[in-house]
Amino acid sequence: SQQGEEDPQALSIQEGENATMNCSYKTSINNLQWYRQNSGRGLVHLILIRSNEREKHSGRLRVTLDTSKKSSSLLITASRAADTASYFCATEGSGAGSYQLTFGKGTKLSVIP
Amino acid sequence: DADVTQTPRNRITKTGKRIMLECSQTKGHDRMYWYRQDPGLGLRLIYYSFDVKDINKGEISDGYSVSRQAQAKFSLSLESAIPNQTALYFCATSDQGVGETQYFGPGTRLLVL
Repeated sequence: SQQGEEDPQALSIQEGENATMNCSYKTSINNLQWYRQNSGRGLVHLILIRSNEREKHSGRLRVTLDTSKKSSSLLITASRAADTASYFCATEGSGAGSYQLTFGKGTKLSVIP
Repeated sequence: DADVTQTPRNRITKTGKRIMLECSQTKGHDRMYWYRQDPGLGLRLIYYSFDVKDINKGEISDGYSVSRQAQAKFSLSLESAIPNQTALYFCATSDQGVGETQYFGPGTRLLVL
């Protein structure tokens, strides 16, 4: 079964606005990663946050992690039409079977020019 | 990512046929993975391999088999294809260790009639 659940399933915003996507998971993790997928293409890694980190930035991306609530959020600031894609969170568990990533179902982001 | 290639990119086959999907990588990574993606379900792990002599079942291995011919090559076979194996299949690689990014191929779109 899938570990991560993204929310919302779909998000539509105007160019220039910020986009926030959330991810909840169920078990202890070593780290949580966010990936992006353009329609029908392979996933591309965006950012990784470790279990002992609370916030991380990369360009226009900001990721937070709350291990007590087993949740993470991805914020994309000043969105662009080129940000239109599906975004997936993926967790690497801390127990047996680690080193595998378990993906959520994704948030489909549409940025309207 | 051109470092991870998949062949074929698209395939139509009939129920009961044997089909092989191939993955090659030039990243020098030891770890390789096969996922399938279905609409609304995100990615699910089929098999993974941490080195040439290591093969492990993932979440949904039934109906599939794999072969790790070399560090750079990891093949996925459907011994007797069925329509519910129609999906988008991705190969991915990663380096050793905890918290490693996975690098995805462009995907193979498979239709089983």
